[in-house]
Amino acid sequence: KAGVTQTPRYLIKTRGQQVTLSCSPISGHRSVSWYQQTPGQGLQFLFEYFSETQRNKGNFPGRFSGRQFSNSRSEMNVSTLELGDSALYLCASSLGGNRETQYFGPGTRLLVL
Amino acid sequence: GNSVTQMEGPVTLSEEAFLTINCTYTATGYPSLFWYVQYPGEGLQLLLKATKADDKGSNKGFEATYRKETTSFHLEKGSVQVSDSAVYFCALSVSTGNQFYFGTGTSLTVIP
Repeated sequence: KAGVTQTPRYLIKTRGQQVTLSCSPISGHRSVSWYQQTPGQGLQFLFEYFSETQRNKGNFPGRFSGRQFSNSRSEMNVSTLELGDSALYLCASSLGGNRETQYFGPGTRLLVL
Repeated sequence: GNSVTQMEGPVTLSEEAFLTINCTYTATGYPSLFWYVQYPGEGLQLLLKATKADDKGSNKGFEATYRKETTSFHLEKGSVQVSDSAVYFCALSVSTGNQFYFGTGTSLTVIP
């Protein structure tokens, strides 16, 4: 089975712009979660989508949003980018039950200038 | 609340040395526990997991036992190799769905 794929792998944006990141889960997985990884804050949970509905949400401002499509692919959007949004954004997929193993993609590295 | 406390790094060991990375947790429910490994420039890979008390997860020579009485899930390996150099994350999942709580990560460097 193909693993979790994320596109693009690298992005450079300027402050105030918006960005959309994409994640394709492992075939058959219905849950997609997003995490932000930074040297200072470590890995922080953004949100989880299951069957096109947001099931869990972390403590991030409303500038961070996401959605999931009927084929379980997910997108994450960040509007009005700030310098502090520079990070590695990781997507993870799982079958959809509780407390399951999550399988991570390689991440999208976002640099905001 | 839910949180994971991991041993501070970085850790530097000689090849074939014994490895322990401490991990303790606080959870509002009954968590599943995980160790993930991250190699440079890559995402996280599952190393091992345990879903109930006294379970032992193991993979590639790494082991960790779910200790409910001490709320711990320490990672051990008897003989490390240079290829084990990476960052190791302890994590728990306790809520409905799949929100993971991660520790800060421990960087391991193994020298020949």
